[in-house]
This record gives sequence, structure tokens and C-alpha cells, in this order.
Amino acid sequence: IAGITQAPTSQILAAGRRMTLRCTQDMRHNAMYWYRQDLGLGLRLIHYSNTAGTTGKGEVPDGYSVSRANTDDFPLTLASAVPSQTSVYFCASSIESTGELFFGEGSRLTVL
Amino acid sequence: GQNIDQPTEMTATEGAIVQINCTYQTSGFNGLFWYQQHAGEAPTFLSYNVLDGLEEKGRFSSFLSRSKGYSYLLLKELQMKDSASYLCAVRDSNYQLIWGAGTKLIIKP
Repeated sequence: IAGITQAPTSQILAAGRRMTLRCTQDMRHNAMYWYRQDLGLGLRLIHYSNTAGTTGKGEVPDGYSVSRANTDDFPLTLASAVPSQTSVYFCASSIESTGELFFGEGSRLTVL
Repeated sequence: GQNIDQPTEMTATEGAIVQINCTYQTSGFNGLFWYQQHAGEAPTFLSYNVLDGLEEKGRFSSFLSRSKGYSYLLLKELQMKDSASYLCAVRDSNYQLIWGAGTKLIIKP
């Protein structure tokens, strides 16, 4: 059972480049999320999707976009990367009844 | 605004007991979660409290007082593998999770 798979696990990117972080789940969860985690700060929600075909903005959505064409996939795109987007990015999905989150292994992104 | 407070770092001795506190101020309350995160890894679920009282799960217990906006995670019989960050998160009235910055727990032999 894979759970949630993220790719790439690590990437160094030049500022101004476009980047898509991939996220796939095999648990058939309706809700999915993208978080960023920075030292000394809590997890911050970037975008979320409550079900396939719908998306919503989280706490820090600027500079990021998402799509949810089907239940399994929830890619996060940085249209034009900036150094402040250097972070560890976690994709997650949740059980509807309790809200328990299941996280992917994370994608460490460095923007130079 | 919404706020979750927990200590930045704590140190404890192998075999001992440690209590990690979490206080919160959120718009509404629909449950409190504790997650464990080892360095360089993803957070993993530890516990969920929605009613007042103590939930026990093996060596770990979590307590909630909704009237005080307070929770704690109690870890007994500490092991070296318990060295990790512990994240407190509250689900607000919109069912969105608000996260604390995490408590880094250091276990010494």
C-alpha cells in the first residue's frame, strides 16, 4: 500500500522557472491538501481540495496553483519560482469522519 | 486571530515521563490532533480528542479541556526513538486545521 506518493523528493530550481510538484494517493480520500513547512513555523496550508473538481485557497496561496482532475492526483504548480518559496512541501489527504491526515514523504524545494 | 502555542523545545531522560502542553485560541473547535514528526520525515498521527478528558494509547496519552483551550500529550517510559517534534493542531469551525509550530523533544540517555 503506497498511501501518498510525492515527486520529486528534492529539487533545486532557478528563480523564475516553473515547477510542478506531483502528489498521488491510492486511499480514495476525497480531501487533499498542500502544506509548506518552514523552520520555526507551523505547517501552513497552501491550497486544498474537498473533492475532485473543486479547489480552495489556504493561508498562503500566492504564487501557487493546484488542480484536481480526479480523486487520486493533486499537483501543485509554482508558475515562476522565487527564493521565498524555498521550503519543504507536504501533500496530505484526510479521512472524512475524523479529519485524520495522511502525509506524503515531502518534497524539499530550493529556489536559487 | 487564531493561535496555537506550544513550547519550542523540551529535554527529558530515557525511561522518564514528559508532558507537552498546547494552548489554543481558535474560531470554533472541532477536535484537536497530535502528530509526531521525526527529523526529515512526514508527520504521523498520534491522537485525536474532541471531548474533554484523557485518551490513552499505549505509552502515549492525550488530554483535552475545551473550556480552558488546553491540551497535553503525555509520553511515558521514554525511549530514544521518541526524540522527534510533536505537533498540536486544532480543527476550527470551518473544519480547517490550525497548526502549532511544534515542540522538539530531545531524549537523553
